[in-house]
Amino acid sequence: SQQGEEDPQALSIQEGENATMNCSYKTSINNLQWYRQNSGRGLVHLILIRSNEREKHSGRLRVTLDTSKKSSSLLITASRAADTASYFCATESGGSNYKLTFGKGTLLTVNP
Amino acid sequence: ETGVTQSPTHLIKTRGQQVTLRCSSQSGHNTVSWYQQALGQGPQFIFQYYREEENGRGNFPPRFSGLQFPNYSSELNVNALELDDSALYLCASSLARASGTETQYFGPGTRLLVL
Repeated sequence: SQQGEEDPQALSIQEGENATMNCSYKTSINNLQWYRQNSGRGLVHLILIRSNEREKHSGRLRVTLDTSKKSSSLLITASRAADTASYFCATESGGSNYKLTFGKGTLLTVNP
Repeated sequence: ETGVTQSPTHLIKTRGQQVTLRCSSQSGHNTVSWYQQALGQGPQFIFQYYREEENGRGNFPPRFSGLQFPNYSSELNVNALELDDSALYLCASSLARASGTETQYFGPGTRLLVL
């Protein structure tokens, strides 16, 4: 079953604009991770935010986490055509194993 | 480049056949997880291996099985293939610690088509 749900399902912007994607989840988590996937290929890890963190930055990426609302957002600033990809949030909920539960993803298209 | 490799990259099988997919984990990692990603969906957790033992399983039938070897590489075996098994199969390696896992690094995937 899907834990995270990304919103929107698809997003189209112009180069240089900012892109914001949201993720909601259902159960308590240890951490939340964002991944990028180009054209059905492997997943590239972008950023991990732990349940006791509220905000994290990495280059042009900014991730926030609100555990009270069970939601996270990924902001990509000054987008580039190369940012065109599908973006997934994945939660790790602990327990005896370390599985990731993914949402269905947001397809981001950055037009040159 | 994550250092995680998978083989083969593409595979075509027919219903009822069996398939073995392989994954070499990143150096120093002790955990391998397998995911199935159907077209247009997010990856779904199949199972995880930690130090050669299965360490959790998703909602997949027993015809999905796996192995992890002493060098932490892994295999995913699927018996009695069905059309719905057509998907991208991803493996991810990570270093699990007592405090929890770190980032999972994914391989490029194996695209399986069942006819």
